Amino acid sequence: AQTVTQSQPEMSVQEAETVTLSCTYDTSESDYYLFWYKQPPSRQMILVIRQEAYKQQNATENRFSVNFQKAAKSFSLKISDSQLGDAAMYFCAYEGAQKLVFGQGTRLTINP
Amino acid sequence: GAGVSQSPSNKVTEKGKDVELRCDPISGHTALYWYRQSLGQGLEFLIYFQGNSAPDKSGLPSDRFSAERTGGSVSTLTIQRTQQEDSAVYLCASSLARHRQETQYFGPGTRLLVL
Repeated sequence: AQTVTQSQPEMSVQEAETVTLSCTYDTSESDYYLFWYKQPPSRQMILVIRQEAYKQQNATENRFSVNFQKAAKSFSLKISDSQLGDAAMYFCAYEGAQKLVFGQGTRLTINP
Repeated sequence: GAGVSQSPSNKVTEKGKDVELRCDPISGHTALYWYRQSLGQGLEFLIYFQGNSAPDKSGLPSDRFSAERTGGSVSTLTIQRTQQEDSAVYLCASSLARHRQETQYFGPGTRLLVL
């Protein structure tokens, strides 16, 4: 079975600085997708960024980018120029042939 | 357009009672998913529906849990004889189709507390 591990339960960063959230996963599949979701206090999960495993180029979405290391099964999220609105729980997720599997989450705090 | 909506937003019930949680997916979305998020945990898959196909119930934790989707739209998750360990946030999501390329859009969830 696939597993997703987020080793940082909590992270904090100064406003306007850069922070990286870690995620590793375990799978024997070669074709899969990886996701980062954001969950603010409103509880509504919002897709931040998606990476297709067959694409070598790292995905980027404005201030959000990933470092996808397929051989190492690592998928970290970098948030540049952190803003107060980035404060939330961030979940890494994996989807192969079966259902979406989530990590335990990282709570990100932005210090003004 | 409107996003995924869920009701009620919060539900408090007594142990042993049955509860029904409702999900209204985005119009036109054929795939619908239910997840459970226990305190401080990630999301745990429960069940998903794709069109008129038989649902994938592989994530349901016990036979006290069931779900239906009427008319390919609204879905109801029912928990019978609730237990304290059922306390969690129940999240619903929908997507255009059951495919990894399709983004899952989540509702705000229902927070269930079993006393």
